[in-house]
Amino acid sequence: AQTVTQSQPEMSVQEAETVTLSCTYDTSENNYYLFWYKQPPSRQMILVIRQEAYKQQNATENRFSVNFQKAAKSFSLKISDSQLGDTAMYFCAFLGLNRDDKIIFGKGTRLHILP
Amino acid sequence: GAVVSQHPSRVICKSGTSVKIECRSLDFQATTMFWYRQFPKQSLMLMATSNEGSKATYEQGVEKDKFLINHASLTLSTLTVTSAHPEDSSFYICSARYGGETQYFGPGTRLLVL
Repeated sequence: AQTVTQSQPEMSVQEAETVTLSCTYDTSENNYYLFWYKQPPSRQMILVIRQEAYKQQNATENRFSVNFQKAAKSFSLKISDSQLGDTAMYFCAFLGLNRDDKIIFGKGTRLHILP
Repeated sequence: GAVVSQHPSRVICKSGTSVKIECRSLDFQATTMFWYRQFPKQSLMLMATSNEGSKATYEQGVEKDKFLINHASLTLSTLTVTSAHPEDSSFYICSARYGGETQYFGPGTRLLVL
C-alpha cells in the first residue's frame, strides 16, 4: 500500500526567507502523480503544485517549486520569498494511476510565516 | 476554472435530526466526487467516493446508512448525515476530480450537533 510521510509537524520562518517542506512516499508503481495542497486558516484546500512522475523536470509555480527525487521517493516543496499569506497547513499527496486509486494525504506540516 | 462550491458553510442542528450538505462543481463536469471528514489539526479522512449515476463506495468503517451520498448529476453530489449525534460534529469537505487526476476541493462545511 502507498504511504505518504511528512516528517515536519510544524515549522516557522521569517517573512521573505526560503523554506523547504519535506515529503517522502512509498509505492511500487512507476507512474503516478504527486501534489502539494495548502490549507490556510479558512480551511479551503488549495492546489499549490502538481508533478507527474514520468516527468523528470521539477514543477514550478511562481514562488513554489518542488525537488522531485524519484529514486529516493522524495517530493519536497520549496517556498521562496515567503509571505505572511503562506501561513497554512501544507499536505503532500500521492495518486496512483489505477482506475480505483484514491489520493493519499500525508499528515501535514503546519507552516508559520513570522513578520 | 475548476471551482467547487459547498453549501451550507456551517450548520448547527439538534441531535437526532438529519442534515444535507451539497457539493457542486461550478464550471466543469465531475464524474467522480469525494467526501472527506477532517478533525481539528488532522489530515483529511476519505469517507466515500461518489460516481454519477451509481452507488457511492464507502471506506471501511464509514456507516453508509448514516452518511447517505447521492450523486444525481455530473455537477452535484449530496451528503446527508442522518440522525446526527454530537460525535458527528466535524468539518466535512467535498472534492471533484477534474482533468483526470487533479482534485479540487470545496470550502468545507462545519457541522455542530447539539
